[in-house]
Amino acid sequence: QKEVEQNSGPLSVPEGAIASLNCTYSDRGSQSFFWYRQYSGKSPELIMSIYSNGDKEDGRFTAQLNKASQYVSLLIRDSQPSDSATYLCAVNEGAQKLVFGQGTRLTINP
Amino acid sequence: GAVVSQHPSWVICKSGTSVKIECRSLDFQATTMFWYRQFPKQSLMLMATSNEGSKATYEQGVEKDKFLINHASLTLSTLTVTSAHPEDSSFYICSAPPAFGGSYNEQFFGPGTRLTVL
Repeated sequence: QKEVEQNSGPLSVPEGAIASLNCTYSDRGSQSFFWYRQYSGKSPELIMSIYSNGDKEDGRFTAQLNKASQYVSLLIRDSQPSDSATYLCAVNEGAQKLVFGQGTRLTINP
Repeated sequence: GAVVSQHPSWVICKSGTSVKIECRSLDFQATTMFWYRQFPKQSLMLMATSNEGSKATYEQGVEKDKFLINHASLTLSTLTVTSAHPEDSSFYICSAPPAFGGSYNEQFFGPGTRLTVL
């Protein structure tokens, strides 16, 4: 059973600080990794994808992947109250299927 | 960007009735669509993979006779919850990776359908 693990939180971060979200996965063969943001009552929204070891930056978001450690993280710089949401880590299981972690609830405090 | 729509956005029905949920890719073709279910404060659980022109593939523990899936075209998949019961009340979400272009594994989610069975 392929697994994706996240700390469910809640994670509280002051406005303007860096929020760090972590995720580990069990399948060494996984090639694609995604971070989704989900607001309460809404469906997930893709915010980052990463396929190679290292960092990938997009605006205030940076995804980091370390395949040797089976670890992927998301950093949110200059956190805003609008970043308060549940962040879901997803890993491909082949044939375009995704396995999701349980999500980390992030709260940005003004 | 890739847009996926779902209809209806919410539905309330009586126990024992059937409910059909539509998932459409609006600006791209999708040979595959995925159906998820999400209970409160839980993550997304994949129910089945909808394949255009062939039978759906169901995840372990999902009753194929209860959750009927039809992928009628490259832009439409439907999920019918048959003989719905209160325990079927959940947030149903579809997703689709573009068949052409984009990243092979990127999926775009519909807005979801909240089903409440009384």
